[in-house]
Parts: sequence; C-alpha cells; structure tokens
Amino acid sequence: EAGVTQFPSHSVIEKGQTVTLRCDPISGHDNLYWYRRVMGKEIKFLLHFVKESKQDESGMPNNRFLAERTGGTYSTLKVQPAELEDSGVYFCASSVRTVSSSSTDTQYFGPGTRLTVL
Amino acid sequence: QKEVEQDPGPLSVPEGAIVSLNCTYSNSAFQYFMWYRQYSRKGPELLMYTYSSGNKEDGRFTAQVDKSSKYISLFIRDSQPSDSATYLCAMRDSGGYQKVTFGIGTKLQVIP
Repeated sequence: EAGVTQFPSHSVIEKGQTVTLRCDPISGHDNLYWYRRVMGKEIKFLLHFVKESKQDESGMPNNRFLAERTGGTYSTLKVQPAELEDSGVYFCASSVRTVSSSSTDTQYFGPGTRLTVL
Repeated sequence: QKEVEQDPGPLSVPEGAIVSLNCTYSNSAFQYFMWYRQYSRKGPELLMYTYSSGNKEDGRFTAQVDKSSKYISLFIRDSQPSDSATYLCAMRDSGGYQKVTFGIGTKLQVIP
C-alpha cells in the first residue's frame, strides 16, 4: 500500500511569488490534514479535511493560505503571495475515518515539502 | 506558555542503555497521548498511543501517562543504533476534532 505522498519535496521561491503544494493521501482515507514546522518550532496543525469538506481550519495562519480538496482525493495548499515567514516544512497526513470523538485514528504522515522563501 | 513542553536534546546514549523521554503539558483537556518517531528527511511515524492515564508496552517501548501531573514518558529498553531519531510527543483532546498538538521533539542518538 502506497503511503502519503507529497510534491514537490523541496521548493525555493522568492517573496511575493505563489507556490502550490500537493498531497496525495492513502487511498480510502477520508481524513486529510496539513501541518507545518517552522525551523526551531513545533509541528503545528493547519487544517483538517473530511472528504472534500473543511472540518477544522483553525490553524491556518492568514488568508494568504488556501487549501482545497476537490473530489475528496488529493489536496493542494496554495500560498499567495509567499512571505519569508512561510518558510518551513509542510506535512500532510491522512487517516481512515473518525468513528466518534471518543476514538482516534492513526494519522499517517507524508515526507513533507520543504519550502524556502527568499 | 507552550501547551506541550519537551526538551529538544540532543540526547546521546550508548547502545543497550535505557532511554527515558518525557513531556509536560498544560491543557487538561488532552485525553489522547502519542509518541511519534521521525527519521531525518522523513515524516513522523506513530510509535505509541495511549488513551488517558496508564501504561502501555510494545516490545522495547513503554509509554506512561500521568494526567494528575500532566506528564508523559516514553521508555526505550535495550536501545539500538536504529533507534536514533527525533521523538515527538503529541496529544489531542476528546472533542470531535482530530488535530494533534506536538512537542518540539527530542533528538536521540544511540552510539554503537
């Protein structure tokens, strides 16, 4: 079974440019998450999709970030325009299905996309 | 104040040693406690998962949760060079959202 894949593995852009990150979750996983790790900081939650719907986007830093998951399969995270502080590693994770709030699904992480904004 | 505190290390131990990693947290709503292992240039991989207080053992790994002290631990027995990685504690509450809050991670090196 293929794991979570992310593309590109590394992106270097200049401030003000646009970048789109892509995540392909494990097939059949309804839940898809985006996280970000800024250098020297903890991995921070950005948002959570259940199929194509945004379940929780409380971690999105500002409106320069736009996440989509059309058709409930792969997801994209667009940063427009990129700022220096957006540099970091962006992780995507997926899990099977949330049965109830009293259980937790294993989140499987991709290798991350390393974004450098110059 | 951070919700989850974790010593970033690095921690170097000789092969065969018992490793103790720990985290403290401030949010009393956390109910699910996890340990992830992350190798260089890879994504985090779930190692252990515990619900509420108590102990859980899986092979050489033991996870402990003390909710009264807001303190969680991971013990690695008979550590191996292949255990060299960054270990992240993580937790979430019992609400409907599945977002996970991470510690900064402790970098462990097991020296042959």
